[in-house]
Amino acid sequence: QSVLTQPPSASGTPGRRVTISCSGSSSNIGRDSVNWFRQFPGTAPKLLIYRNSQRPSGVPDRFSGSKSGTSASLAISGLQSEDEADYYCATWDGSLNGWVFGGGTKLTVL
Amino acid sequence: QVLLHQSGPGLVKPSQTLSLTCVISGDSVSSDSAAWNWIRQSPSRGLEWLGRTYYRSKWYSESAVSMKSRVSVKPDTPKNQFSLQVNSVTPEDTAVYYCARTYDSSVDYWGQGILVTVSS
Repeated sequence: QSVLTQPPSASGTPGRRVTISCSGSSSNIGRDSVNWFRQFPGTAPKLLIYRNSQRPSGVPDRFSGSKSGTSASLAISGLQSEDEADYYCATWDGSLNGWVFGGGTKLTVL
Repeated sequence: QVLLHQSGPGLVKPSQTLSLTCVISGDSVSSDSAAWNWIRQSPSRGLEWLGRTYYRSKWYSESAVSMKSRVSVKPDTPKNQFSLQVNSVTPEDTAVYYCARTYDSSVDYWGQGILVTVSS
């Protein structure tokens, strides 16, 4: 079982907006910032969001992140077929003294 | 641009030691603002952080409590790389292993991943 909880699946139609949630606790999301990653089959995860809402250079502004309390969300607007992938959240856990991850959300573009 | 490249055997026998190396390009293992991590991924356990090494006036190495002291992460400054050792492996240690950099509260660069299978 992953320390952070994500829905196993999400879906949306092209052009629409979809959100993916990530739930944690006071020892992880509640005290530290959240990263979001996208992963295509057979490849390494790629950083989409860090410090809850910051985008690395090259990540489109269609991707946005937010955090409130012990939960975080990733929003993808203007959904495209190439957004179909697995999405993961992660943060530092102060009790476990290590990085923890969500179980991943498989996004389907209908 | 930071590039990380893992190498090591793809097959390890049960009870033996898994050893991997990650070569760093575009940054230094001795950076005083980055940390160098090992993360693995399997269908049964998902993404799992194993440990890290970093330099802040002196060297630190930390490993995940869940690994029960089986993990060792060490820097190799002359070769600008770092390594992972997992002792007493079982089939449950079969996974894709990634090395990754953490910087400014982000896991920003990942290696390409290497599949390690534990089997006799």
